Amino acid sequence: DQQVKQNSPSLSVQEGRISILNCDYTNSMFDYFLWYKKYPAEGPTFLISISSIKDKNEDGRFTVFLNKSAKHLSLHIVPSQPGDSAVYFCAASAGVKFYFGSGTKLNVKP
Amino acid sequence: KAGVTQTPRYLIKTRGQQVTLSCSPISGHRSVSWYQQTPGQGLQFLFEYFSETQRNKGNFPGRFSGRQFSNSRSEMNVSTLELGDSALYLCASRASDLNPGYTFGSGTRLTVV
Repeated sequence: DQQVKQNSPSLSVQEGRISILNCDYTNSMFDYFLWYKKYPAEGPTFLISISSIKDKNEDGRFTVFLNKSAKHLSLHIVPSQPGDSAVYFCAASAGVKFYFGSGTKLNVKP
Repeated sequence: KAGVTQTPRYLIKTRGQQVTLSCSPISGHRSVSWYQQTPGQGLQFLFEYFSETQRNKGNFPGRFSGRQFSNSRSEMNVSTLELGDSALYLCASRASDLNPGYTFGSGTRLTVV
């Protein structure tokens, strides 16, 4: 039972353009959402988060949007850089338990 | 400060064997969680320990077990290994429930042959 879904396994974007990674969830009790970035042979690293009381959080080139009514989360990267090429996982929590999506592999082409 | 340390980095075992993986969290972090990553399945939650107590458990068979020591170091054990247990096992720690973001280790790549 996948409570957090990333339906796009991969995404390819040209350098300098916007990357939009999407995430859907089913549990309306989730109150905190996070994005992690993972390079090969490394553990995921925390990127950005958003609380359910907000609908947008921005950190430099990264912005996360939350649409609670649609149970949808997205990560925008502007402008995209080749170093952003990695697997991105979204995660949601209700209390102490976290649920991760299956990941989207982003490829930013020079 | 040192990050989350997992040992060993790579492991090859045969079916039927058992394996123990180790995780040293960031100093001061009391919560340690374990995840299994397989291609296409993302990060599947195994269990979480807090102050030596298992607080949450994912939907994995009883062959998967873990424990946490008084210094917050954690071990994960898998008995009677199956080919499908081949995966990257990730450990993550955080200081408390007030810190929602986890810090992950680099993982242990387990291959079962």
